[in-house]
Amino acid sequence: SQTIHQWPATLVQPVGSPLSLECTVEGTSNPNLYWYRQAAGRGLQLLFYSVGIGQISSEVPQNLSASRPQDRQFILSSKKLLLSDSGFYLCAWTETEGYTIYFGEGSWLTVV
Amino acid sequence: AQSVTQLDSHVSVSEGTPVLLRCNYSSSYSPSLFWYVQHPNKGLQLLLKYTSAATLVKGINGFEAEFKKSETSFHLTKPSAHMSDAAEYFCVVSSNTGGFKTIFGAGTRLFVKA
Repeated sequence: SQTIHQWPATLVQPVGSPLSLECTVEGTSNPNLYWYRQAAGRGLQLLFYSVGIGQISSEVPQNLSASRPQDRQFILSSKKLLLSDSGFYLCAWTETEGYTIYFGEGSWLTVV
Repeated sequence: AQSVTQLDSHVSVSEGTPVLLRCNYSSSYSPSLFWYVQHPNKGLQLLLKYTSAATLVKGINGFEAEFKKSETSFHLTKPSAHMSDAAEYFCVVSSNTGGFKTIFGAGTRLFVKA
């Protein structure tokens, strides 16, 4: 069966520091991968998605970037965090031709 | 174009009473529809999905939803609420519009009173 792992689960970082959140999917090949952000009390915002290694599409211009160095690995990064980057970050995947989205457990980022 | 509207931001029920969470959608294509549940500080868990098969869809934890094309609705129901059902619920519509496009509803917070 397929599983998705996301880490770290919680993170407190000072303003201006770098960020790296990692996500891996197991049990499937060539998944579509996604990063979402969920601000407190708000809905989900799609940040990035990827249909293959090295292929990244950005939905919202921002202080963040994403990379996909391997087929089942998706990384969310920032060189310098802003206070507004605080939130709950969710990694997700779908099959190449699938509609159903499967989510990781999420990562809480607090920028102080 | 696609859109999804969850008609209630908050729903409060007593334990043991029925649950109804309402969702209306708009899609120019044959959509797939989903309900997800999110407990505090957790990821989203798939409850159920409709993908053009049976219009009454049964999911996990006793939830079910009925796809009504004429009403463009996909309401989530459960006959008897349990305290553990207290969570945020998201209705989601997705279709292949020359590329998969997925839209999330704003969410409905379900409160369950003892």
